Amino acid sequence: SSELTQAPSVSVSPGQTASITCSGDNLGIKYISWYYQKSGQSPVVVIYHDKKRPSGIPDRFSGSNSGNTATLTISGTQALDEGDYYCQAWDSSTVVFGGGTKLTVL
Amino acid sequence: QVTLKESGPVVVNSRETLTLTCSVSGFSLSDGRMGVSWIRQAPGKALEWLAHIFSNDETSFRTSLQNRLTLSKDTSKSQVVLTMTNMSPVDTATYYCARRLLDTDSFDIWGQGTTVNVSS
Repeated sequence: SSELTQAPSVSVSPGQTASITCSGDNLGIKYISWYYQKSGQSPVVVIYHDKKRPSGIPDRFSGSNSGNTATLTISGTQALDEGDYYCQAWDSSTVVFGGGTKLTVL
Repeated sequence: QVTLKESGPVVVNSRETLTLTCSVSGFSLSDGRMGVSWIRQAPGKALEWLAHIFSNDETSFRTSLQNRLTLSKDTSKSQVVLTMTNMSPVDTATYYCARRLLDTDSFDIWGQGTTVNVSS
């Protein structure tokens, strides 16, 4: 099965742009979803189909996917965006999650 | 309103079998656009996908755990049941069920999770 690799942590200053990447073999041919998890809570999908935002997700969240890397971009990062972010893909009929990236806003 | 809720024992002993139930509401498990996965998260660790059941009752499992897992659903009861045999302390985690929406290929609704501690 495929693996998805994420950096363990990313730091960003309030108001700046945060980029969280997810890498894997030929990732660009798969659909990637991104999930946000606040400490102690269930994950929430923030991006699906590489770049689409579910209803209710602010437009400061955007995504892209090409080659071997998918990227979640958070523009104008706010303190409330702090938490863990996971990428996810389907590999045939199984599911793969990335190892997660802890976003710190400082 | 679509909800999923996990239930099961808080503590299981090593080598015992864990049975978890995901009770869903607001949608039908026979809807061809839906499926349900189980995903777990050990304390301080990443999300780990375990198993998925499709609307046609087909199942898929994490390769490393497939010998220990079974998954079934009862559409009339709106429940998905996961069993995991031969539990050990490394299986201590919060277990989530989540709905997969075919249209988005993502898990759009998650349960609150249920914490399982495996006693040695």
